[in-house]
Amino acid sequence: GENVEQHPSTLSVQEGDSAVIKCTYSDSASNYFPWYKQELGKGPQLIIDIRSNVGEKKDQRIAVTLNKTAKHFSLHITETQPEDSAVYFCAAGDTGRRALTFGSGTRLQVQP
Amino acid sequence: DVKVTQSSRYLVKRTGEKVFLECVQDMDHENMFWYRQDPGLGLRLIYFSYDVKMKEKGDIPEGYSVSREKKERFSLILESASTNQTSMYLCASSFTTYEQYFGPGTRLTVT
Repeated sequence: GENVEQHPSTLSVQEGDSAVIKCTYSDSASNYFPWYKQELGKGPQLIIDIRSNVGEKKDQRIAVTLNKTAKHFSLHITETQPEDSAVYFCAAGDTGRRALTFGSGTRLQVQP
Repeated sequence: DVKVTQSSRYLVKRTGEKVFLECVQDMDHENMFWYRQDPGLGLRLIYFSYDVKMKEKGDIPEGYSVSREKKERFSLILESASTNQTSMYLCASSFTTYEQYFGPGTRLTVT
């Protein structure tokens, strides 16, 4: 089955700096790569996703890149703010499998 | 807005008890999922359902069962709770394989 590895497990940055979280996946059939943000006491919420026919996608201060050949994808957050502090999860999926496989999570702390 | 609700935010049960966790979604989604979340392990899929009365095992189904009698409701059952089932349980629903909407979670403690 699919295996998703996520690094780093914790990340601390100064407000205004950029943050990068990286994930690798094992199943070349995976074609959908979402990123979820989980704030304290809440369930994960989708913040951005990318499909395998696209190499990069941006939404304001967040962007995701995908390298299908190397089977890795990354989340980039620019101009970080304290409200970006949360746990971030990457995931991989495909329509045949119906379900997503999640990474182990990254706790991002933005220091004011 | 999609709303996924879970019956309890916190639950404390004793070893050997039968435990029911309920999840309800209001968007007519076909797919519903149960995950458990443990520190350093991320979200691990227990069971999912893509239609009423249909279920499929996820990565860690042992010790759990599920029930989906109505489209909007998906229940997770711990037949005989054990201490290693102490965890955060998250329910999610989706229209397709893709975007999943999560509930707030149930933190279960088994003593």
